[in-house]
Amino acid sequence: GAGVSQSPSNKVTEKGKDVELRCDPISGHTALYWYRQRLGQGLEFLIYFQGNSAPDKSGLPSDRFSAERTGESVSTLTIQRTQQEDSAVYLCASTPPTWTGELFFGEGSRLTVL
Amino acid sequence: KNQVEQSPQSLIILEGKNCTLQCNYTVSPFSNLRWYKQDTGRGPVSLTIMTFSENTKSNGRYTATLDADTKQSSLHITASQLSDSASYICVVSEGGGNKLTFGTGTQLKVEL
Repeated sequence: GAGVSQSPSNKVTEKGKDVELRCDPISGHTALYWYRQRLGQGLEFLIYFQGNSAPDKSGLPSDRFSAERTGESVSTLTIQRTQQEDSAVYLCASTPPTWTGELFFGEGSRLTVL
Repeated sequence: KNQVEQSPQSLIILEGKNCTLQCNYTVSPFSNLRWYKQDTGRGPVSLTIMTFSENTKSNGRYTATLDADTKQSSLHITASQLSDSASYICVVSEGGGNKLTFGTGTQLKVEL
């Protein structure tokens, strides 16, 4: 498809387990963002990748959260030792090389930590 | 601190009625403002963009306004439909870079 693809769409895990969430941006898009959205709340910025520049990790809530991106393609968000407060929808977005301020979002990965 | 505040937090209207959602921001320098629609269980999708020089812009039944002096924007929905039920998010882009500030959204429900 032509849109941002995220997987898994739903993930249920037990407290203390590690999870990996994947984002495949739109082809040709250079920037990639991860956001967290708790139930009924707004989007919280987590991390931003732009080309080969060092990522902006200023939104990561703790050292249990990390993300990687291979070049200008797939990104993986990893949450170690999950806690119940990590339960949320994790949204990925990408933007084309020319900045217009428009984010193209995936459908999100819904994480439930029991 | 850059902030974007939206009101009301939630709204219920009858099908066919109009409504207006508000967005106030303190982001400076200002580049543009976007309204996104987020259907339940989906990612947000851009509805319209407002730049500094634009006052009004329409996209079908959606009309956005911007007053850059008072730092306010509104999204007016005309003749609402059940499919308009969604969260509407105001996002302001900071000039000179790619920093975005998100509002917490207005949850709209359109009922029969």
